[in-house]
Parts: sequence; C-alpha cells; structure tokens
Amino acid sequence: QVQLVQSGAEVKKPGASVKVSCKTSGYTFTSYYIHWVRQAPGQGLEWVGIINLSAGSINFAQEFQGRVMMTRDTSTSTVYMELSSLRSEDTAVYYCAREVQTTMIPVGRLFDYWGQGTLVTVSS
Amino acid sequence: DIQMTQSPSSLSASVGDRVTITCRASQSISSYLNWYQQKPGKAPKILIYAASTLQSGVPSRFSGSGSGTDFTLTINSLQPEDFATYYCQQSYSTPRTFGQGTKVEIK
Repeated sequence: QVQLVQSGAEVKKPGASVKVSCKTSGYTFTSYYIHWVRQAPGQGLEWVGIINLSAGSINFAQEFQGRVMMTRDTSTSTVYMELSSLRSEDTAVYYCAREVQTTMIPVGRLFDYWGQGTLVTVSS
Repeated sequence: DIQMTQSPSSLSASVGDRVTITCRASQSISSYLNWYQQKPGKAPKILIYAASTLQSGVPSRFSGSGSGTDFTLTINSLQPEDFATYYCQQSYSTPRTFGQGTKVEIK
C-alpha cells in the first residue's frame, strides 16, 4: 500500500535551517509529484511547493523565495524539504503529499496520500 | 496567484442536518477544485476532486458541484464523524491554493 512517512519533530533556533524527509513506498516513485503543505498552529493549510520526482525540478510559493529547497533520492524513494533562515512564523506542521492526475473525464489533480506531518518549532 | 474564498468560516449543525459550504475562486479554474476534510492532529483527507467526483471510499452523503469560479460542498444527513474542518483547493495552477477552511461544529 502507498505510504508517506515523514521524519520526526524538530526544534530550531531563529536563523537556523531544518530538513524534513518524506519516505515513500508502495508505488513507482518517479511517476508522481510530491507537494509540501504547512499548517501553523490553529491555522489553515498553506502550499509550500512541488517537486517533480522524475526530473527533479521544483516550484515553490513566492514567499519562500531563496529559503526553500526540495530534493529527492530516487535510490531510497525519499523526498526532502529544507527551509533556511527560520523565523518564529515558520513554526508549523509540514506535510508531504502525493499528487495524482486522473485520466477519466473530468480530469482532476488531487493530493491522494499524505504524510503524517512533521512539527517544526522555531524558538529562541 | 488564484485566491480561494470559503464561506462560512464556521458553522454549528446537528446530526442529521444538511450542510452546505461554498468556495469561490478569484478566476476561472474550470473543474479543478478539490475538497478535503481534516480532523484535529491528522493530515487532510481527500473527499471530492474535479469539483464533483467522489473519492473512492468516501460516503455518498458527500457531494460537490460547480465549475468556473463557484463551487459547493454538501453533506447530507450529517454524521458524528463529519464534525471536522473542510478545505477547498484549486489544482488548476501553481501555487495550489487552499481556502481558509470551514469548521463544522456540533450544535
């Protein structure tokens, strides 16, 4: 069965970096895209970015310009998101999610599997 | 970026009620609209994609409609396990923006 298993909680100081992993299994790794979504305490869902697991290309929300990097290791079917220059507002649960595009009409693109989430706390 | 606006932000309802949540996109997104359910401490779960297609395993009391800019999620005969927060999301383009969420609480 499809699984996305994320790394454990992190506590970081302002200005530091954090790297969250998302280990996938149960499907052909390079056939899908992985997105990262975060959720600050008591807040809604915020899209962070996407990585094409085949090409390795990434796209991310403008507000993370220069601070986020997403990579993948095809040998272990693992995706990584690294966020640098952390500030208190980055405190959130970070989720990885697999996106699938359906082939039947109407065509849809949806996040069908999610990781369990990784709490990143930024505090001095 | 496409902005997604949900309403209401919260509602109180009783078991057995019919509940309707609306979502409006700032530009046409065709039918690239998804609905997710999230319970406290859990990852979101896909309910409906392509505006009206029920994800496998989701109860038929959930339904979606709309296209272009205006969309609706309806829950017929609300069940105890349906009390949660619901998000719409557009998958027409990146960034994949979400609505701000609608919390469905017990009356």
